[in-house]
Amino acid sequence: GAVVSQHPSWVICKSGTSVKIECRSLDFQATTMFWYRQFPKQSLMLMATSNEGSKATYEQGVEKDKFLINHASLTLSTLTVTSAHPEDSSFYICSARRQGAGNSPLHFGNGTRLTVT
Amino acid sequence: GENVEQHPSTLSVQEGDSAVIKCTYSDSASNYFPWYKQELGKGPQLIIDIRSNVGEKKDQRIAVTLNKTAKHFSLHITETQPEDSAVYFCAARRTTNTGNQFYFGTGTSLTVIP
Repeated sequence: GAVVSQHPSWVICKSGTSVKIECRSLDFQATTMFWYRQFPKQSLMLMATSNEGSKATYEQGVEKDKFLINHASLTLSTLTVTSAHPEDSSFYICSARRQGAGNSPLHFGNGTRLTVT
Repeated sequence: GENVEQHPSTLSVQEGDSAVIKCTYSDSASNYFPWYKQELGKGPQLIIDIRSNVGEKKDQRIAVTLNKTAKHFSLHITETQPEDSAVYFCAARRTTNTGNQFYFGTGTSLTVIP
């Protein structure tokens, strides 16, 4: 159990366009999901915490208007990279925790490789 | 806040040998420590975890130890196999009044040489 599906697994877009990445918890409900960015050979950098039914909490230095997060249901959070630029190219990963299970671990999606040309 | 340090950054072992990865944390309020394995091009997968009220946990070839006093925890992989080659991340979870926050180590790239 505890499967997190992330889509798409990779995307190539032109500079100036927007890209939406979906994160779904397939077999559990998640009131909280997390979005990370990972540069090559580096650790996960938390970008924001997505809360179902409310605004996301962004980490310091992450532009809210650049990285739009919507957590419309207990099983879906989306990250939209708006007006993408080449420097936004990265590996984006989401994770989720089972609702109501205070000590449950994080379960990660398989990531989305974004390349902006 | 919490600060998690992980060592070594790279590790090569011969197949069949053991591998040990160590992490330290700074906040005594952290109470849960998971370990993740990330294969190339994929998201991290939980492989083992330990809570602060336990000193050691084992699952087949993988074990984790926790020393709360010294604020460090370690991942032990015995009888390593080539498929163990991956990047491993430790993490510490700290509970605050706004919820749980996970802090990740910088990762260890493990290579098991056949």
